[in-house]
Amino acid sequence: QLQLEESGPGLLKPSETLSLTCTVSGVSISSNTNYWGWIRQPPGKGLEWIGTTYKSGSNYYSPSLKSRVTISEDSSKNQLSLKVRSVTAADTAVYYCARLVTATLVFDIWGQGTMVTVSS
Amino acid sequence: DIQMTQSPSTLSASIGDRVTLTCRASQSIDYWLAWYQQKPGKAPKLLISKASTLESGVPPRFSGSGSGTEFTLTINRLQPDDFATYYCQQWNAYIQTFGQGTKVEIK
Repeated sequence: QLQLEESGPGLLKPSETLSLTCTVSGVSISSNTNYWGWIRQPPGKGLEWIGTTYKSGSNYYSPSLKSRVTISEDSSKNQLSLKVRSVTAADTAVYYCARLVTATLVFDIWGQGTMVTVSS
Repeated sequence: DIQMTQSPSTLSASIGDRVTLTCRASQSIDYWLAWYQQKPGKAPKLLISKASTLESGVPPRFSGSGSGTEFTLTINRLQPDDFATYYCQQWNAYIQTFGQGTKVEIK
């Protein structure tokens, strides 16, 4: 059974780098039938797509975040990671990782989310 | 960038009602559209993919339609478990966007 679990520091100061990990169980992240994405949700607001990692190291990011975001995979640990540089209070949100189904290009399995607060 | 606009922002309805939520894309996305349901404190749940394909386990009172730039999610005979926020999401040229959401609340 496929499961995703996000982890990382809950509190950051402005200008720091946010680093989150998504541990995937039940399937290899290197499988050709799976892509992986990150989505966030500020408190009381809607969902915002951050980026998706495809095969052959091809990553695509939201244009509004592209300059500050990096997504990478560690197949030896079966983990996905997200880094957001130079955070501000506007980066305060619940961060989710999710599987993108190759055939339908939708996120069908989500982690439970992890809350990140940026505050001085 | 493709913008997704959902309407209405909030919809008040009663148990047993039929409700229709709309999602409009700023340019054609063919049928690459999904609908999600989210309840407070929970991760979104996928309901529909490719505009009209119901996911396994989703009750048949949910249905999706549309293509190009205009899409709808219809819930027939609204049930207590259906009061939630619904989001559409598009995929185009590897870039994805969510709509701002429609909250379905009890009248």
